Amino acid sequence: GAVVSQHPSWVICKSGTSVKIECRSLDFQATTMFWYRQFPKQSLMLMATSNEGSKATYEQGVEKDKFLINHASLTLSTLTVTSAHPEDSSFYICSARAIGGAWQPQHFGDGTRLSIL
Amino acid sequence: AQSVTQLGSHVSVSEGALVLLRCNYSSSVPPYLFWYVQYPNQGLQLLLKYTTGATLVKGINGFEAEFKKSETSFHLTKPSAHMSDAAEYFCAVSEGWDGGSNYKLTFGKGTLLTVNP
Repeated sequence: GAVVSQHPSWVICKSGTSVKIECRSLDFQATTMFWYRQFPKQSLMLMATSNEGSKATYEQGVEKDKFLINHASLTLSTLTVTSAHPEDSSFYICSARAIGGAWQPQHFGDGTRLSIL
Repeated sequence: AQSVTQLGSHVSVSEGALVLLRCNYSSSVPPYLFWYVQYPNQGLQLLLKYTTGATLVKGINGFEAEFKKSETSFHLTKPSAHMSDAAEYFCAVSEGWDGGSNYKLTFGKGTLLTVNP
């Protein structure tokens, strides 16, 4: 149980392109989803938290207009990197948490490797 | 504010040897603690969690961890390392009540475990 599917797993695109990444909870309802960015050999950096039907909450320093997050249903959240540039190249990981308090763990997708040429 | 310290960014053990990965936390409220494992180019997989009750928790793949409040520690152990255990391990803490911040996780910087034949 508690499977999170993230697509695509790998994207290579030209500078200026917008890229959408999907995160789906397959066997549970996720009231909260999180988006992380991970640089090589580093820990995860939280970018934003999204709740179904609400606007996402972005961490300090994360550009809202650059990283658009939509959490339209209890099983789907999307991250769109708008007008991507080489510095946006990174490993992006989503996670989802079921209804409940802090004891509910986050369940992670397999990540998306984004390479901007 | 909560924080997590993982002592040792890189731990190397021989196959069959004891695995000990250290994690210390700070939290102003009773914490919920998690260990995750990350294999190359993948997301994070939950190994085990401590919420309440028994302080020795058992997880998947033969791992276990003990919550020691007096030492503010949650070290991860496995009696006998396998080659397949080679991966990055992250300790994380979630506060029991966060005032509405969606129970975000605070991660340690990670420990890379290598297993030598």
